[in-house]
Amino acid sequence: GAVVSQHPSWVICKSGTSVKIECRSLDFQATTMFWYRQFPKQSLMLMATSNEGSKATYEQGVEKDKFLINHASLTLSTLTVTSAHPEDSSFYICSARWGFEQFFGPGTRLTVL
Amino acid sequence: AQSVTQLGSHVSVSEGALVLLRCNYSSSVPPYLFWYVQYPNQGLQLLLKYTSAATLVKGINGFEAEFKKSETSFHLTKPSAHMSDAAEYFCAVSESGTSYGKLTFGQGTILTVHP
Repeated sequence: GAVVSQHPSWVICKSGTSVKIECRSLDFQATTMFWYRQFPKQSLMLMATSNEGSKATYEQGVEKDKFLINHASLTLSTLTVTSAHPEDSSFYICSARWGFEQFFGPGTRLTVL
Repeated sequence: AQSVTQLGSHVSVSEGALVLLRCNYSSSVPPYLFWYVQYPNQGLQLLLKYTSAATLVKGINGFEAEFKKSETSFHLTKPSAHMSDAAEYFCAVSESGTSYGKLTFGQGTILTVHP
């Protein structure tokens, strides 16, 4: 089956630093990837839709200058949290489209101190 | 805009008992509906999906769900719970009317299975 990986699986950083999270489709090419955010004990909220070779489409209320998304190839999308603050601590999950299906990565837990 | 409501943030059953997790949706277009399971600190795994074919959908691990348009519901059931079913379950609807578009998730239901 289609496999999506995320790296790192967890990261701890200091307030004010930037963190990059990678989402890779391992055995298929994904023209579209999605980035979700999940707060503790809450549901997933879509942050942005990432299309290969074009600018990401951000959901209302998501700061595009803070959450930089790059989809440079058909197998890799990255989410960079710039100048991270404790309120950015969350579980970030990506998903990738393959044909008529969507496959989810295992998630990245970000903790900002 | 579409929305999903999962009734009951926590459901507790005994091993071997029926599992029923409730999901109601609202959608302005024919919906595509999904159930996902999430184990602690992991991503989401698709259990099953409704894409306008059969109203009773069978998924993995013995789960099934029935689409009822008149009730705008898509409840998830399993006849006999197993300890390994303990996890969080999310119902979702596709905003684009496809199985690969943006998803709107419900609040999630944590299933606890007692021995």
